[in-house]
Amino acid sequence: DTAVSQTPKYLVTQMGNDKSIKCEQNLGHDTMYWYKQDSKKFLKIMFSYNNKELIINETVPNRFSPKSPDKAHLNLHINSLELGDSAVYFCASRNAGGRHEQFFGPGTRLTVL
Amino acid sequence: SQQGEEDPQALSIQEGENATMNCSYKTSINNLQWYRQNSGRGLVHLILIRSNEREKHSGRLRVTLDTSKKSSSLLITASRAADTASYFCATDTLFLGGANNLFFGTGTRLTVIP
Repeated sequence: DTAVSQTPKYLVTQMGNDKSIKCEQNLGHDTMYWYKQDSKKFLKIMFSYNNKELIINETVPNRFSPKSPDKAHLNLHINSLELGDSAVYFCASRNAGGRHEQFFGPGTRLTVL
Repeated sequence: SQQGEEDPQALSIQEGENATMNCSYKTSINNLQWYRQNSGRGLVHLILIRSNEREKHSGRLRVTLDTSKKSSSLLITASRAADTASYFCATDTLFLGGANNLFFGTGTRLTVIP
């Protein structure tokens, strides 16, 4: 029944490692997003994908790369993790032709040691 | 930055009282949305107000929008302990390709004391 799901929920890793966070939505939406929420709860958009094409790429390091194997999935790959990458990452989706609200996943708390 | 700002940053009230949160933003918008975030959870959409609307109601929620001042307010009436959460405003701007981009405010942490 979960509309937008993310795995894992928690991710603890060492600096320099490469990791991925997966996101899936079963709402039939055609646009998906990745957000980063820092320790002060500041929420900033990182990427959006519409019909498998990257539409918006905010000023994030190129160590971050979104990968969309199909319309229902938008995974986030992070290379050479740094301490400052520690945050909660949220996936969201939206139907571009419908209502403007976005549906958020439960978040993935990434801790880089 | 297109990020909005909210005030107050934190608000503590007694159950039954009304809570008002304000949001200011910087750019032209298609609409403005309010979201709620419970601790450790994702954001949940509450209400949307279009740029040509001035006020909107949904249950115990009332949202106002003043595009001339680039500001919005969220009023929660007859608050309940279960309303305790962080509340974020988000401005919706249209980019090429149709992928509406949400820019979130800094959030207001609401605590409703039973």
